Amino acid sequence: AQSVTQPDIHITVSEGASLELRCNYSYGATPYLFWYVQSPGQGLQLLLKYFSGDTLVQGIKGFEAEFKRSQSSFNLRKPSVHWSDAAEYFCVLTDSWGKLQFGAGTQVVVTP
Amino acid sequence: ETGVTQTPRHLVMGMTNKKSLKCEQHLGHNAMYWYKQSAKKPLELMFVYSLEERVENNSVPSRFSPECPNSSHLFLHLHTLQPEDSALYLCASSQDRRPMYNEQFFGPGTRLTVL
Repeated sequence: AQSVTQPDIHITVSEGASLELRCNYSYGATPYLFWYVQSPGQGLQLLLKYFSGDTLVQGIKGFEAEFKRSQSSFNLRKPSVHWSDAAEYFCVLTDSWGKLQFGAGTQVVVTP
Repeated sequence: ETGVTQTPRHLVMGMTNKKSLKCEQHLGHNAMYWYKQSAKKPLELMFVYSLEERVENNSVPSRFSPECPNSSHLFLHLHTLQPEDSALYLCASSQDRRPMYNEQFFGPGTRLTVL
């Protein structure tokens, strides 16, 4: 059975510091993976996606993610966090039928 | 602005009311989705429409009734809801359901409160 795990429910980071959000997946075939962000009162916005090819994926807003098959991980990173990055972040797996499975989300708080 | 709009943005209804949520996409997509987002729970997929046909119904109670009259519009008809149905209802669309084309664009959601 496929699954997506985001181990950190809540992360607090200082503005200007680096950020890494963890995501682990379980899937029997080649995964298709996404990171979405949801700002307060907003719908979800796609940050980046991985289908195949380069394991380091660049996204919008200065985010990147690295796919590591050996660790079944797809962690999201940003070198320097801005106050506007405060939001909830979801790691998402899609199966071969196109069904999205969302992780539980990680809430990011940015302090001055 | 994602190209997916939802109305109303907020809705308060009693348990005996009938109301409808509307979603419209301006992206030329062929697949549309309804999700339920409750506090402290992962996003739950409710319904999937592909080329105006319902292709998935994730054991959603019959008090939720979807309708897809054309590829640009999706409705969620609500009747005799329960307080536990209070949540954020999100609509999304994608080019189609194949994984490579399944990047979903979400609307801002309708915040539903059932009294």
